[in-house]
Amino acid sequence: GAVVSQHPSRVICKSGTSVKIECRSLDFQATTMFWYRQFPKQSLMLMATSNEGSKATYEQGVEKDKFLINHASLTLSTLTVTSAHPEDSSFYICSARTGGNYGYTFGSGTRLTVV
Amino acid sequence: GENVEQHPSTLSVQEGDSAVIKCTYSDSASNYFPWYKQELGKGPQLIIDIRSNVGEKKDQRIAVTLNKTAKHFSLHITETQPEDSAVYFCAALNYGQNFVFGPGTRLSVLP
Repeated sequence: GAVVSQHPSRVICKSGTSVKIECRSLDFQATTMFWYRQFPKQSLMLMATSNEGSKATYEQGVEKDKFLINHASLTLSTLTVTSAHPEDSSFYICSARTGGNYGYTFGSGTRLTVV
Repeated sequence: GENVEQHPSTLSVQEGDSAVIKCTYSDSASNYFPWYKQELGKGPQLIIDIRSNVGEKKDQRIAVTLNKTAKHFSLHITETQPEDSAVYFCAALNYGQNFVFGPGTRLSVLP
């Protein structure tokens, strides 16, 4: 089946630095990828939708200058958390539309801890 | 926009018993309803889904029912096992829109 590979699985960074998270579709081309954020014991909240070759669409309240999304190829989307602060610590999950009307696959998530 | 509610927030059952989780949605245009299982530190995994033209779907020990009139759908797990312990999320989707997830149910299966 369709596989979405997300890396790294865990990352610890110092406050003020930037962190890049990668999401790759391994055996299919993903024209659309989604980035979610999940706080402990809470549900997934959509941050942004990225379409290959165009600018990402951000949900209301999500700072586009802080959460940079690049979807430069049909198999790779990246999320860069710039000037990270402790409040950015969270579980970040990507998802890709695998085809058809309702095919979606999620990555395994990235636990970001900002110290 | 769509709003999805999910109950209960936590559920404990004895191994071998059944578990039922219920969700309601607000947008009558939603036509796809997946259920995801999320284990600690991992991404959500699709366990079953149902489309609006179907009232019930079953896959071994897991079943989902949908009542479009009442705008609610339910997940049924029979003969629960300890490995079923996880957080379960329902979601609603109208094609072309984005998923809206429920708040989740933490299921504990006690041996």
